[in-house]
Amino acid sequence: NAGVTQTPKFRILKIGQSMTLQCAQDMNHNYMYWYRQDPGMGLKLIYYSVGAGITDKGEVPNGYNVSRSTTEDFPLRLELAAPSQTSVYFCASSQGGDSNQPQHFGDGTRLSIL
Amino acid sequence: GENVEQHPSTLSVQEGDSAVIKCTYSDSASNYFPWYKQELGKRPQLIIDIRSNVGEKKDQRIAVTLNKTAKHFSLHITETQPEDSAVYFCAAHDYKLSFGAGTTVTVRA
Repeated sequence: NAGVTQTPKFRILKIGQSMTLQCAQDMNHNYMYWYRQDPGMGLKLIYYSVGAGITDKGEVPNGYNVSRSTTEDFPLRLELAAPSQTSVYFCASSQGGDSNQPQHFGDGTRLSIL
Repeated sequence: GENVEQHPSTLSVQEGDSAVIKCTYSDSASNYFPWYKQELGKRPQLIIDIRSNVGEKKDQRIAVTLNKTAKHFSLHITETQPEDSAVYFCAAHDYKLSFGAGTTVTVRA
């Protein structure tokens, strides 16, 4: 049982490039989330999903897209990377049926846009 | 939407003393309040949580209290140890989790 797995761990992008941050969980959780954490700050919700085929915007969705084709995977796509997207990205999941369940986080992806 | 404020932003305590972190929330519909500990360069890890039908919860040296009327909740760490040094985040859940800005706790040996 690996929990929440994020890849890659580190990435440097040039302005205007695109990339996909991968997130997979093996706990059969229905709910999945993407957060970003800027230095010295708390976590801000980018997108979330309550099940396969269902996604919704969080607080800071601009510049990002997501998809949820399976229960296990929830990739986050950056289409045109900008310096403001330099951050640490965390994926999380929680048990379905009741959204008030503990969220389990991955190890994060540290992304720098230069 | 929900707004969570957390105080203090930094806290330095002597080993063995207690540490208290306080959070307020704005949405009376919030009904789940977790606390996360994040060590440098690591993922946030849940250390304790409380639901709105409970006023207090304790787990060894950690306790959380919730005052729904005043819309505030607090984390109490007793007998602090060096390994308690980390950033602590509170959060409140209405339809999503909203996080406080974090408290950097330093335990002085």
